[in-house]
Amino acid sequence: EPEVTQTPSHQVTQMGQEVILRCVPISNHLYFYWYRQILGQKVEFLVSFYNNEISEKSEIFDDQFSVERPDGSNFTLKIRSTKLEDSAMYFCASRETGPLHFGDGTRLSIL
Amino acid sequence: AQTVTQSQPEMSVQEAETVTLSCTYDTSENNYYLFWYKQPPSRQMILVIRQEAYKQQNATENRFSVNFQKAAKSFSLKISDSQLGDTAMYFCAFKGGATNKLIFGTGTLLAVQP
Repeated sequence: EPEVTQTPSHQVTQMGQEVILRCVPISNHLYFYWYRQILGQKVEFLVSFYNNEISEKSEIFDDQFSVERPDGSNFTLKIRSTKLEDSAMYFCASRETGPLHFGDGTRLSIL
Repeated sequence: AQTVTQSQPEMSVQEAETVTLSCTYDTSENNYYLFWYKQPPSRQMILVIRQEAYKQQNATENRFSVNFQKAAKSFSLKISDSQLGDTAMYFCAFKGGATNKLIFGTGTLLAVQP
């Protein structure tokens, strides 16, 4: 069964550095998402992306965040200048018309 | 604003027994979707079951079923014949009809004991 794949599985970055989290959604899916889960807290919506543009975003998704679909397969989340509070598990998800399919997540640790 | 509440942070059940996980939500919408996701220790969230609000019949997927009470805004998950592989964090989630985003509850950690 096709899966959403995310790389890397764990990213350690110094505070203030830029980080790019990568995702390959399922190939025929049209809607793409990023969610995050701070340790011990609930999963929070960050952004949704459809037809090459952001369709919806949360208050968390401020100017430090951006998303891109640079080619036909990858979907990336960039954090420009990381803060300690950005440490979390970041999940990519995609869907065609049905429910979301999630990737395994990238654990981002900011030092 | 929509909210999802899971009041049971942790639950435990014996193998082969039945367990019910609670979820309540708040919304003013009439058309929406509800989901239960499972997050095993391997971390990937997997869809367990979903319910469209306009359907009165409770959804069922093998050993998993829901008790959807629209008036009470309640959406509980029943797991029958629990198996060790059911051990996971279970998240209840809500999606409004006009939005793409899921709103998650805080999760219930279910441990199935041998």
